[in-house]
Amino acid sequence: KQEVTQIPAALSVPEGENLVLNCSFTDSAIYNLQWFRQDPGKGLTSLLLIQSSQREQTSGRLNASLDKSSGRSTLYIAASQPGDSATYLCAVTSSGYSTLTFGKGTMLLVSP
Amino acid sequence: NAGVTQTPKFQVLKTGQSMTLQCAQDMNHNSMYWYRQDPGMGLRLIYYSASEGTTDKGEVPNGYNVSRLNKREFSLRLESAAPSQTSVYFCASIGWDTEAFFGQGTRLTVV
Repeated sequence: KQEVTQIPAALSVPEGENLVLNCSFTDSAIYNLQWFRQDPGKGLTSLLLIQSSQREQTSGRLNASLDKSSGRSTLYIAASQPGDSATYLCAVTSSGYSTLTFGKGTMLLVSP
Repeated sequence: NAGVTQTPKFQVLKTGQSMTLQCAQDMNHNSMYWYRQDPGMGLRLIYYSASEGTTDKGEVPNGYNVSRLNKREFSLRLESAAPSQTSVYFCASIGWDTEAFFGQGTRLTVV
């Protein structure tokens, strides 16, 4: 059974810092990995999708990397802003399955 | 706007009552999902439908039923609601090699 772990569970930083969120998964046979953002009381918004054949994806100040063999992904946020405050979730689609398995998320607070 | 629409947004039920949560997507995606989100437990898969006409159990299916009415619509039914089903429910859809799109959620309270 695929298990996804996110570290840290919560993170508080001052505005302007570069930061890294971590995601690990137990079964490296994945189809793809996604990073989501969730604002309080809202649904999930996909930030980046990395296919199993890719090493990284970038969108603006966000960069996600994937090391499938070691079962790890990182989300790098450059020059953090208060508007980045949200919960960030990592999810994997395991090969042969069509379902997403989620980590419990990292709650990020960026203070002005 | 394209996306996933869930109804209702909020609902309060008494124990034993039944209700259906509706979900529709307009992106022509094959796969649709129902998750529940609880504090400390994260998102857990209830049921999913990999394509029109098929449904499968996820991690926590007990107490729920689903119907894939057509390619657009995937409903979740609680036949006899229990307090343990108090949660936030999310519907999602995924296309081939695309990211997942989520609805805004249904906050359900069972008293």
